Amino acid sequence: DVKVTQSSRYLVKRTGEKVFLECVQDMDHENMFWYRQDPGLGLRLIYFSYDVKMKEKGDIPEGYSVSREKKERFSLILESASTNQTSMYLCASSSPRGYEQYFGPGTRLTVT
Amino acid sequence: QKEVEQNSGPLSVPEGAIASLNCTYSDRGSQSFFWYRQYSGKSPELIMFIYSNGDKEDGRFTAQLNKASQYVSLLIRDSQPSDSATYLCAVNEDNFNKFYFGSGTKLNVKP
Repeated sequence: DVKVTQSSRYLVKRTGEKVFLECVQDMDHENMFWYRQDPGLGLRLIYFSYDVKMKEKGDIPEGYSVSREKKERFSLILESASTNQTSMYLCASSSPRGYEQYFGPGTRLTVT
Repeated sequence: QKEVEQNSGPLSVPEGAIASLNCTYSDRGSQSFFWYRQYSGKSPELIMFIYSNGDKEDGRFTAQLNKASQYVSLLIRDSQPSDSATYLCAVNEDNFNKFYFGSGTKLNVKP
């Protein structure tokens, strides 16, 4: 059974804190993605990675960075959290020619 | 910026009716089209995908593409209350590294 896990389901942080969101997949997928989902805006791509140590910016990378040191793990970092980063964060993975993205359960982040 | 547009709904249909969901996309180079279902509080899950060369039927679900008008539709026959969810449309170019999602249409199937 394929699985994408995320480190936390709910997270509350204060403005200015450094926040780490972790994602792990057990499918040996090359591609991994971080999205945020906001009401009325759908899923917006923050960053994706197609290989270890490789990353590309998505549509809204500002205020975020990522790290992929191992194939199975993709981390999203908020260097200095702000209230406008309050959102649902979804991680996904896929194979390079795969038509399906497998999503993790999501992390609902609240920045106060 | 590639755009994928969906009517947010809610779309309400009675049980047993056909639900028709639509999605328009801005990039004529889009080659693959996906429909995801997302139950409240859950992650999206893929229910259908089609390539630019044709429509597809899978059980009660049919995905249709109109390339000239740049829209893709999802038909759900014999709608069930368990089909009540938000349906997300996504498009992709000729690789699978970047997907562009619409904001989703909420479907309510009333018993």
